[in-house]
Amino acid sequence: TQLLEQSPQFLSIQEGENLTVYCNSSSVFSSLQWYRQEPGEGPVLLVTVVTGGEVKKLKRLTFQFGDARKDSSLHITAAQPGDTGLYLCAGAHGYGGATNKLIFGTGTLLAVQP
Amino acid sequence: DAGVIQSPRHEVTEMGQEVTLRCKPISGHDYLFWYRQTMMRGLELLIYFNNNVPIDDSGMPEDRFSAKMPNASFSNLKIQPSEPRDSAVYFCASLSYFSSSYNEQFFGPGTRLTVL
Repeated sequence: TQLLEQSPQFLSIQEGENLTVYCNSSSVFSSLQWYRQEPGEGPVLLVTVVTGGEVKKLKRLTFQFGDARKDSSLHITAAQPGDTGLYLCAGAHGYGGATNKLIFGTGTLLAVQP
Repeated sequence: DAGVIQSPRHEVTEMGQEVTLRCKPISGHDYLFWYRQTMMRGLELLIYFNNNVPIDDSGMPEDRFSAKMPNASFSNLKIQPSEPRDSAVYFCASLSYFSSSYNEQFFGPGTRLTVL
């Protein structure tokens, strides 16, 4: 059972455009992470959010955790070709050691054309 | 540190053969995870270890799959016998619970398995 749905599945945009990726679930998570995966490599952590309503910024990337901790969004401003990759959200239930078990979302494949 | 090391990077085998995938976690990390990634099912957790002890193997598809972690610096995932539907990219990841980053998992480059 896939608990984390991401939308859109695929996104092809031009350099300089803005975009938002969504991660939705019917479950409440204690924390949520966003990873980026490039071809031929493993996912790399971008950010972790733990508090409902929390907003974190990483240069041109803005991450938000929903107030109810069931959803999250990733907004990229002025996308660049280097942003191309597969974006994955991952949620954890529980606390302490239990948060190490992640449930990954379905993924959003982003292509930024120069 | 060299990061998480996986071998081989690519494996092509025939149906019915035994396959062994290997992983060396980052030194000092106390958690190790095995994942499988396919287009249809995305990234799925197969099993994870804490201090070399299997904690949750509920994601292991069936008895044909087994994983061991004989020591803190090595783990293997075996498939016997292999089937074409096992074709996927298998990732190993490790984590240090007491690191400064909140439960950040570090992934290896993956092993692309093709079963003919």
